[in-house]
Amino acid sequence: NAGVTQTPKFRILKIGQSMTLQCTQDMNHNYMYWYRQDPGMGLKLIYYSVGAGITDKGEVPNGYNVSRSTTEDFPLRLELAAPSQTSVYFCASSYSDRGPHEQYFGPGTRLTVT
Amino acid sequence: KQEVTQIPAALSVPEGENLVLNCSFTDSAIYNLQWFRQDPGKGLTSLLLIQSSQREQTSGRLNASLDKSSGRSTLYIAASQPGDSATYLCAVRLIRNGQNFVFGPGTRLSVLP
Repeated sequence: NAGVTQTPKFRILKIGQSMTLQCTQDMNHNYMYWYRQDPGMGLKLIYYSVGAGITDKGEVPNGYNVSRSTTEDFPLRLELAAPSQTSVYFCASSYSDRGPHEQYFGPGTRLTVT
Repeated sequence: KQEVTQIPAALSVPEGENLVLNCSFTDSAIYNLQWFRQDPGKGLTSLLLIQSSQREQTSGRLNASLDKSSGRSTLYIAASQPGDSATYLCAVRLIRNGQNFVFGPGTRLSVLP
């Protein structure tokens, strides 16, 4: 299993541009998450999904959108990028509603908005 | 609102020392607590997960304990090695919103040879 994969690894955007961060998992996990990590801070939840076709907002959803058309993929869309969205973005997945929900993380995407 | 803190923010120790990292949370209504390791420029790797009904979990040189009533968890690393140098984060899964995990800011550990 490749686990959780993310593309791209790095990206520089100009203010006002848009982009999609890709996330794929091959572990048949039903739960998927997007986090952002700012320097010296813990991870903050942007959006999550409990299964294909279902998404919900986390703690910091403004400026982002997601979709979950398949179990494997959970892309994160940034519209009208702003400098405040400069961060490292992590995708994660976990399995089951009744189990421990141990999370598995991708390697991250480092995004700079200038 | 659940808040998770980790003390110390950074720690530097000589190789071979036993050490303890601390994680505190304000709301004891949690499903579980997970400890992660993060290497510079990398993603998070799960180390240990403790269910709310458990007191501790062990994996190799790592031992994590949980005292839910006092809102504390500790990660004990025995016989530290330079390869243990990384940032260690804890995260709690909330009962109130079971899909939501709240992360601490991490402890940056340096083990000197």
